This record gives sequence, structure tokens and C-alpha cells, in this order.
Amino acid sequence: KNQVEQSPQSLIILEGKNCTLQCNYTVSPFSNLRWYKQDTGRGPVSLTIMTFSENTKSNGRYTATLDADTKQSSLHITASQLSDSASYICVLHKAAGNKLTFGGGTRVLVKP
Amino acid sequence: DTAVSQTPKYLVTQMGNDKSIKCEQNLGHDTMYWYKQDSKKFLKIMFSYNNKELIINETVPNRFSPKSPDKAHLNLHINSLELGDSAVYFCASSQGGTIQETQYFGPGTRLLVL
Repeated sequence: KNQVEQSPQSLIILEGKNCTLQCNYTVSPFSNLRWYKQDTGRGPVSLTIMTFSENTKSNGRYTATLDADTKQSSLHITASQLSDSASYICVLHKAAGNKLTFGGGTRVLVKP
Repeated sequence: DTAVSQTPKYLVTQMGNDKSIKCEQNLGHDTMYWYKQDSKKFLKIMFSYNNKELIINETVPNRFSPKSPDKAHLNLHINSLELGDSAVYFCASSQGGTIQETQYFGPGTRLLVL
């Protein structure tokens, strides 16, 4: 079982609507948690990064939250746009061993 | 354009062949990486070089050999290609030498082994 599990696997939403993606992890302790956006046919681009002591971080219409007690992070997309159609990947950095663990991503499709 | 670039974008080849993928970054970064993204979209780090020196070498078959002629380039050579090598390979770079720093990814090389 992967140490970083993302849900849902895929999501279809209408333009203008909000959505929330989940990332559940067992990696502990970790130094930071990052969300990447990967457009189809492109490399991932960093959206937000949070240390283990941070609860929330925003980047425009993207807001990431972190609950260290439940070992969950979420990425909230507000007022979705067609350009938000992409995969969103959750990544944890574990200081011990200097390892990055990637989730499998959530594929979001925004329809007009 | 300042970026991480990879060539080729697509690579279709027969089993048993040897192929190379090239990566260049003009961001002035010290560290470069190679990742493999499988069909289930999981990204896994393969190698990392800092100023031409290998600093991360995950469990990767020794058919894969990275080469860094200078800190702006990190090439990946694959010998005796196998069907399971089919994947998208991403190159990335970061400013400093720690893996937790923001990494900037190239567009990927789609490798299909027939």
C-alpha cells in the first residue's frame, strides 16, 4: 500500500464550481507536503508547499490544508476554470532518509 | 526561455535497443533529477546529481546510466531496453542540493518499447 493515497482518482466538475481533493498519508514524520499540478503532456508544476507545522497555504484559487492529527491534506479549487483540468499530485518529503513519496494523483476535468 | 528541456519528446524503439534521453536546464540550478512516471501516473525518482556528482541513486536496474557532463545537463542512457521500461521520463532541476526544494520539471519524454 502506497504511503500517500489520493482520492478521488478522477473528478468531473462544471466550470465555476468548487472542488476538494484529498491526500491521506502514513509518512511520518515529514518535513513538508507539496501539491503539484500536472497538465496533460507536461511536467508537474508546484502549487503549494506546507511544513508539518502549517495548516493552510493558498496560491490564487488553490488552497491547501493540512491536518497532522488525521494525517490528511486537501486541495480546494475555488471557482474552477477550464484551465484547471489537470492531474493534481500530493508529495511528502520525509527528512529521515531524505525521501520523496508521491501520490498517484487526482485527474480533474472541468467542463463548460 | 528559461526552462528545463528534454529531447526527444517521443521515443519508440524495439526491445533490446540502447537509447539516450537528453536534458538541459538554463535556470542556473545546481541539482538535476530523473523521474519515471508509470502508467498509473506514480512518479518515482531514479537519480539526482548535484554539480555533476551523483547524490541519489534509487533502486534502478544498472541498464540505466545517468551522465552529467556539466551542471546544466543530465542525460539518461538506457541499455537493452525492456517492455517494462515504457513510461514517461521526466527531468527536473532545483536551485540547491536538497530534494525537498521546489523542483522544475521538463515536459517529459514518452518512451514506448515494442
